[in-house]
Amino acid sequence: DAKTTQPTSMDCAEGRAANLPCNHSTISGNEYVYWYRQIHSQGPQYIIHGLKNNETNEMASLIITEDRKSSTLILPHATLRDTAVYYCIVRPSYNTDKLIFGTGTRLQVFP
Amino acid sequence: SQTIHQWPATLVQPVGSPLSLECTVEGTSNPNLYWYRQAAGRGLQLLFYSVGIGQISSEVPQNLSASRPQDRQFILSSKKLLLSDSGFYLCAWSAYRGGGEQFFGPGTRLTVL
Repeated sequence: DAKTTQPTSMDCAEGRAANLPCNHSTISGNEYVYWYRQIHSQGPQYIIHGLKNNETNEMASLIITEDRKSSTLILPHATLRDTAVYYCIVRPSYNTDKLIFGTGTRLQVFP
Repeated sequence: SQTIHQWPATLVQPVGSPLSLECTVEGTSNPNLYWYRQAAGRGLQLLFYSVGIGQISSEVPQNLSASRPQDRQFILSSKKLLLSDSGFYLCAWSAYRGGGEQFFGPGTRLTVL
């Protein structure tokens, strides 16, 4: 069972910030929040992960609430190539096995 | 840098025929390896994972098997394909004792007729 809840779909204008929310109210203290995305007909792509501090890399920013029950993935300047299904996953960092993918959020970036 | 290869990219097979999908990883040693399947319009389901040569863990009972004959080679097989085996098969790797990120290959789209 996925431990996260995400909206089914979202739209975003090209060049604007895309803010993708994720609820994980049952997250445990040792669980990280991971984000992946899957562009149509491709394998999933790792984006970012974090524990409790906000994180930023060349692809996105991850904002985690203080109580860690929700988070937001931010794509600062969305492009058409960011159209994909975005998955929010919680798991311990040391876990060597499965990623449990939920249904994700289908982000459509329009011109 | 690390790269992951899968082949073939697409495959059409009749029911009852055998299957062999191959995955290889370059640029890393002793990776954790994974096979996932994605049915049309569905999420990813973990089928097998391996933490070393000859070590295979199966997540769900099924018509498929996996083998890891070499450190960076992972093979998915079936003796007799079923219609329900159709789907998008993805191989992934993660670093041994790594931070949990998994990196996926380009996938094989299998159609069983």
